Amino acid sequence: NAGVTQTPKFQVLKTGQSMTLQCAQDMNHEYMSWYRQDPGMGLRLIHYSVGAGITDQGEVPNGYNVSRSTTEDFPLRLLSAAPSQTSVYFCASSYGSDSGSSEQFFGPGTRLTVL
Amino acid sequence: AQSVTQLGSHVSVSEGALVLLRCNYSSSVPPYLFWYVQYPNQGLQLLLKYTSAATLVKGINGFEAEFKKSETSFHLTKPSAHMSDAAEYFCAVSEEWNSGGSNYKLTFGKGTLLTVNP
Repeated sequence: NAGVTQTPKFQVLKTGQSMTLQCAQDMNHEYMSWYRQDPGMGLRLIHYSVGAGITDQGEVPNGYNVSRSTTEDFPLRLLSAAPSQTSVYFCASSYGSDSGSSEQFFGPGTRLTVL
Repeated sequence: AQSVTQLGSHVSVSEGALVLLRCNYSSSVPPYLFWYVQYPNQGLQLLLKYTSAATLVKGINGFEAEFKKSETSFHLTKPSAHMSDAAEYFCAVSEEWNSGGSNYKLTFGKGTLLTVNP
């Protein structure tokens, strides 16, 4: 199993540009989520999905869109990039979200810089 | 909303010394607690988790953590540090998200960077 994969590893954008961060998992996990990691802030939840066709907002959803057309893929879209979105983005997945004790598996991250 | 406090953003120990990373949480109900480790330029990896089965939880790489309800703490320890333990460590608590549903999310502490000196 490849686990959770993310592309690209690095990306530089100009303010106002749009892009999509890709995330895929091959573990047949129902639950997938996106976090952003900023220095001294820990990880904060952006959006999550509990299954194909079902998504919802996390703590910091503004400026981001998601969709979940398949169990495997959960892309994160930046509609109009802003310098405040400079961060490291992590995708995570787990077997289920309805127990609270499920381990989340994290991808290697995408380091995004917005100029 | 729950919160997680990690005391000390940076901890430095000598190789072979005890490692103690502190974590306190706020919760009015028995929580699910986790420790994750992040090696440089990598994603997070689960070290151990507490799910109310036992208060002393053993994890990978010789780490363990003790859940103390009276102190709302879940400190991470390792008897003897190794150079390969140098990484950032995150404590996290699982909390229900979107009340009315049954979905949970992780709330993370701000992390503790562990440095191991030869």
